[in-house]
Amino acid sequence: GAVVSQHPSWVICKSGTSVKIECRSLDFQATTMFWYRQFPKQSLMLMATSNEGSKATYEQGVEKDKFLINHASLTLSTLTVTSAHPEDSSFYICSARGDRGRKGMNTEAFFGQGTRLTVV
Amino acid sequence: SQKIEQNSEALNIQEGKTATLTCNYTNYSPAYLQWYRQDPGRGPVFLLLIRENEKEKRKERLKVTFDTTLKQSLFHITASQPADSATYLCALDPSGSSASKIIFGSGTRLSIRP
Repeated sequence: GAVVSQHPSWVICKSGTSVKIECRSLDFQATTMFWYRQFPKQSLMLMATSNEGSKATYEQGVEKDKFLINHASLTLSTLTVTSAHPEDSSFYICSARGDRGRKGMNTEAFFGQGTRLTVV
Repeated sequence: SQKIEQNSEALNIQEGKTATLTCNYTNYSPAYLQWYRQDPGRGPVFLLLIRENEKEKRKERLKVTFDTTLKQSLFHITASQPADSATYLCALDPSGSSASKIIFGSGTRLSIRP
């Protein structure tokens, strides 16, 4: 099956620094990647939709200068939390849909393992 | 406004019984409805999807129904086991296109007691 790898699985950083999270589709070339944020015992909050080679589409209320998304290749998208503050501490999850190399793989989303970010 | 609701925040049932989770939505006409499982500290894992023109879908002990008139989906786990304990997320896919976002409900935390 399709595998999405997210790295790192956890990170602790100092307030004011930037953190980069990577999301890779390992055995397929994802059509689209998505970034979510999840608070404890709450559902997934979509932050942005990312397509290779184009600018990410951010959801309302998500600061694009704060959460930089780069989708440089069909298999890699990165989320950089810039000038992180304690309120940015959360669980960040990426997902990927679609496989340019195979028909029929459009429907379900495949998720990474998630990244627990703690800003101190 | 568009809304997805999963009826219970938490559900606690006895092992061996059938667990039934409900997902209701308003102001959507989804092409697909999907169900995911999420364990603590992990990303969601896809379980089943059902198309708008399908009434029911089964996979092993799992069964999903989809009523587009009621705007409701039911997710059943038969012969439940403690290993089924997790949060289950309902998700709407408006178009079925891989470029479109999937909208998730808030989830139901299912606990199966031995």
